[in-house]
Amino acid sequence: KAGVTQTPRYLIKTRGQQVTLSCSPISGHRSVSWYQQTPGQGLQFLFEYFSETQRNKGNFPGRFSGRQFSNSRSEMNVSTLELGDSALYLCASSRTSGRAWETDTQYFGPGTRLTVL
Amino acid sequence: EDQVTQSPEALRLQEGESSSLNCSYTVSGLRGLFWYRQDPGKGPEFLFTLYSAGEEKEKERLKATLTKKESFLHITAPKPEDSATYLCAVQARGGNTPLVFGKGTRLSVIA
Repeated sequence: KAGVTQTPRYLIKTRGQQVTLSCSPISGHRSVSWYQQTPGQGLQFLFEYFSETQRNKGNFPGRFSGRQFSNSRSEMNVSTLELGDSALYLCASSRTSGRAWETDTQYFGPGTRLTVL
Repeated sequence: EDQVTQSPEALRLQEGESSSLNCSYTVSGLRGLFWYRQDPGKGPEFLFTLYSAGEEKEKERLKATLTKKESFLHITAPKPEDSATYLCAVQARGGNTPLVFGKGTRLSVIA
């Protein structure tokens, strides 16, 4: 079974530009979560999508947005890039039944390394 | 606010020298505690999920245990290929709550 894939793997952008990252979940997984990982802050939750709806959102500014398509693939967008946005952006998928009391393991992709100059 | 603290930040072991990594957590009702391994430049790789105090899980040289306040990842007779950053995360009960991660323990195993 193919794992979570993310494209592109590496990106270099300049301040003020915008960027779109893509994530394809494991087949059959309906939930996609996005995280930002930096050396200082570790892994921080951005948002989660389930059945094309944002189900949860972390404490990030509105410049960070996302969406999910009917095939569960997801994209995240960062507008007006700042130097501090340089990070590894990780996508994780889980099967998720949709029932709140059940725990679903999240499986991560390899990440997109974004460098903002 | 849910919090996860991992210690030590970094650990250097000789091959064969067993040790434990600690994950202390505060959460408003634990739904699950997760351990991941992350190699440089890669995404986290799932290792274990623990649900309730007293639970233990094993995989090769790794064994994870859980109490009401902390979890331990025991590494028995480690090998150089066990070198990685080990991440702990918790998920709280109540709705579709996100994972909250600790900052990880960077393990180096020297041959």
